[in-house]
Amino acid sequence: EAQVTQNPRYLITVTGKKLTVTCSQNMNHEYMSWYRQDPGLGLRQIYYSMNVEVTDKGDVPEGYKVSRKEKRNFPLILESPSPNQTSLYFCASSPPDRAFDGYTFGSGTRLTVV
Amino acid sequence: GESVGLHLPTLSVQEGDNSIINCAYSNSASDYFIWYKQESGKGPQFIIDIRSNMDKRQGQRVTVLLNKTVKHLSLQIAATQPGDSAVYFCAEDRRAGGTSYGKLTFGQGTILTVHP
Repeated sequence: EAQVTQNPRYLITVTGKKLTVTCSQNMNHEYMSWYRQDPGLGLRQIYYSMNVEVTDKGDVPEGYKVSRKEKRNFPLILESPSPNQTSLYFCASSPPDRAFDGYTFGSGTRLTVV
Repeated sequence: GESVGLHLPTLSVQEGDNSIINCAYSNSASDYFIWYKQESGKGPQFIIDIRSNMDKRQGQRVTVLLNKTVKHLSLQIAATQPGDSAVYFCAEDRRAGGTSYGKLTFGQGTILTVHP
């Protein structure tokens, strides 16, 4: 089944403790992105990657890192999480060059930083 | 439960009615637009898309209209069903020759509630 898989689905952590949220897609997509979703603010892009070793900042990159060493994986790293990073996170992927195409989203990771 | 819907516009309809959800986009350079449906506890799900060289596109029970003059999108759902109840987001993208720049920008969403 074609899908974007995020892990974990739920995570509670403490301020300052480094964490990684994994994202993997099995569709051989070039594009991958991370979004956070907050009440009243919709989905905002954190980082995106257009291919292996090519990443760029989205609208809210502060406090996050990403890497794209392999095409299928795009982990989101919080080096020193803070309570304002408590949010619902989504990973998405897409091929870049089909005329009509939407992004495929994962099921989300709900992160709570205390 | 999820608090994603806090402060979002809402639309309540009866089963069988047609629904129209509106969205204003911000970037006049955007040339590709997508509607997503998000059910509680799930990620956004692609519904339909449209490129800026079109003003209308139809899918199964859904139609998207694009008015570039006023930077407005609408999603029409025919014969709305209880399973259509969800939060609906529009999103805008920029593409050059069919290839995305990678920045997808979402609207804030509209809660659709369908009453049996």
